[in-house]
Amino acid sequence: DAGVTQSPTHLIKTRGQHVTLRCSPISGHKSVSWYQQVLGQGPQFIFQYYEKEERGRGNFPDRFSARQFPNYSSELNVNALLLGDSALYLCASSLGGFDNSPLHFGNGTRLTVT
Amino acid sequence: AQTVTQSQPEMSVQEAETVTLSCTYDTSESDYYLFWYKQPPSRQMILVIRQEAYKQQNATENRFSVNFQKAAKSFSLKISDSQLGDAAMYFCAYRSKETGANNLFFGTGTRLTVIP
Repeated sequence: DAGVTQSPTHLIKTRGQHVTLRCSPISGHKSVSWYQQVLGQGPQFIFQYYEKEERGRGNFPDRFSARQFPNYSSELNVNALLLGDSALYLCASSLGGFDNSPLHFGNGTRLTVT
Repeated sequence: AQTVTQSQPEMSVQEAETVTLSCTYDTSESDYYLFWYKQPPSRQMILVIRQEAYKQQNATENRFSVNFQKAAKSFSLKISDSQLGDAAMYFCAYRSKETGANNLFFGTGTRLTVIP
């Protein structure tokens, strides 16, 4: 079975631009979460979506938004990019939204803002 | 807010030896989950082991085991018979059972080097 897939794997953008990152969860998983991992740090929680509704949000500005589609795939959007947005963006899926099912992570999208 | 602290930025171990990675956390909650994740150069976060706070017995997964000290808010990972494939970044993580969301709070990680 395919794991969590993220696209693209690498991306270079300029300050002020907009970016869209995509994530396909494991088949049967209904929850998708997004994390930002700055170099040298642990991942930080951005969003959780379950059944197409936002179920949790981390301490990130409104420039960050996300959505989940009927097939449970998800997009993370970041507007007005800043240099500090350069990071590895990880997507994780799980069976449910509030249960104790484990998170399965993808390989991430490496975003570089110049 | 919950915080997770990993005080060892780097550790090294001889192949076939045992190493222990440290983690402490801060929370006012009584029931929660604790995790150790491994992140190799492929960047994918891989779950190594999970502990539920209400379970007093320490979790084990083959060569990996934890020492969970709830009162001390300590959660260390022991890797026995270390193998070259164990070399990676290791992250300790906390997840609340009370908030409902499944977001994890991660520490800053420990880079483990395995020496042949």
